[in-house]
Amino acid sequence: QITLKESGPTLVKPTQTLTLTCTFSGFSLSTPGVGVGWTRQPPGKALEWLALIYWDDDKRYSPSLKTRLTITKDTSKNQVVLTMTNMDPVDTATYFCAHSKVVVGMDVWGPGTTVTVSS
Amino acid sequence: QPVLTQPPSSSASPGESARLTCTLPSDINVATYNIYWYQKKPGSPPRYLLYYYSDSDKGQGSGVPSRFSGSKDASANTAILVVSGLQSEDEADYYCMIWPGTVVFGGGTKLTVL
Repeated sequence: QITLKESGPTLVKPTQTLTLTCTFSGFSLSTPGVGVGWTRQPPGKALEWLALIYWDDDKRYSPSLKTRLTITKDTSKNQVVLTMTNMDPVDTATYFCAHSKVVVGMDVWGPGTTVTVSS
Repeated sequence: QPVLTQPPSSSASPGESARLTCTLPSDINVATYNIYWYQKKPGSPPRYLLYYYSDSDKGQGSGVPSRFSGSKDASANTAILVVSGLQSEDEADYYCMIWPGTVVFGGGTKLTVL
């Protein structure tokens, strides 16, 4: 059974860097075709994809946020870390990580973690 | 970044079918992409419903009933999610997605079950 869970601060100040960790089980991020992605949803708004890291360490980022995002993986710990720099109140959202598989898509999601950006 | 266009809202009565559309920009051919569909309810993570490429290449999410189905209208460059036999629990936001290297979500459609 695949499970994922997001963790990180619930409150960050403007200009700070956000670090979120996705801890997963039930799959290995060294298996070909597998990846872990991050998506967020601001209150009352649509889903917005952020980043994805593949089993071979290939990394993809949202073009609009690329300069602020870094995604890394620790295969031995079954974790994926997303950092977002220069946080702003508009970054207030629920952040989700998801298991991804080529062709199938992002098929299993974590429960999400809510991040508020406020001074 | 391509824009996937979804009507902001749709409604249908219990037992009826709802047809939700996702229109791709003219420079992206719907026929060449897998289209992914997600259901999102407040306070819950997105639920993976299915992917659709063609009638011979598609996949249903784990535990997703067969009354959720995908298709394409190539003439309109549009992907379609049909929810048949509507139930009150189907009331939610529905998002389409494509994955041409990077991931793009549509703006979502709020489905109301009258």
